[in-house]
Amino acid sequence: EDQVTQSPEALRLQEGESSSLNCSYTVSGLRGLFWYRQDPGKGPEFLFTLYSAGEEKEKERLKATLTKKESFLHITAPKPEDSATYLCAVQAVETSGSRLTFGEGTQLTVNP
Amino acid sequence: KAGVTQTPRYLIKTRGQQVTLSCSPISGHRSVSWYQQTPGQGLQFLFEYFSETQRNKGNFPGRFSGRQFSNSRSEMNVSTLELGDSALYLCASSLRFMNTEAFFGQGTRLTVV
Repeated sequence: EDQVTQSPEALRLQEGESSSLNCSYTVSGLRGLFWYRQDPGKGPEFLFTLYSAGEEKEKERLKATLTKKESFLHITAPKPEDSATYLCAVQAVETSGSRLTFGEGTQLTVNP
Repeated sequence: KAGVTQTPRYLIKTRGQQVTLSCSPISGHRSVSWYQQTPGQGLQFLFEYFSETQRNKGNFPGRFSGRQFSNSRSEMNVSTLELGDSALYLCASSLRFMNTEAFFGQGTRLTVV
């Protein structure tokens, strides 16, 4: 069974204080790993897809990396508007269709 | 380009009733998936539809069902509502059945009283 574990559950940062969120996964064969951002009461917003170990993607202050067992979401010099829950999800090779298995998320708070 | 549209945004139903939620995918997207999100269980996959056929189903009871129309719009139905069905129901659309990227709507917040 595919499993995704995210840590920490919650993270408080000061504006400008860089940090990383972790996503550990167990899947028989990885088709893709996905990062989403979710604001309270809203649907998840797509951020990145990573397909193979060593791959990196960047968007503004966010950078996602992937190894064979985990992914990191690095946040550089965060701003208060980066406060949200960040979700990690995996899709296995043997999965039929677009089904995603999600982690519980990391709730990020950036204080001004 | 319009995103995924879910209606209604909020619903309050009584235990034992049934409910129908609607999802219009991104234009041109043909695969629609449904997820249930609760504080305790996180995001759980319900089912996926492609070409008007259910292709995948998660571990939910038969009270949860859905369908997809020829224009790719989808509905999900929950019968005999229970208090535990209170959740945010999210719809995600993908371009193709095996396409990896899914884009979510804003969700429907269902409260069962």
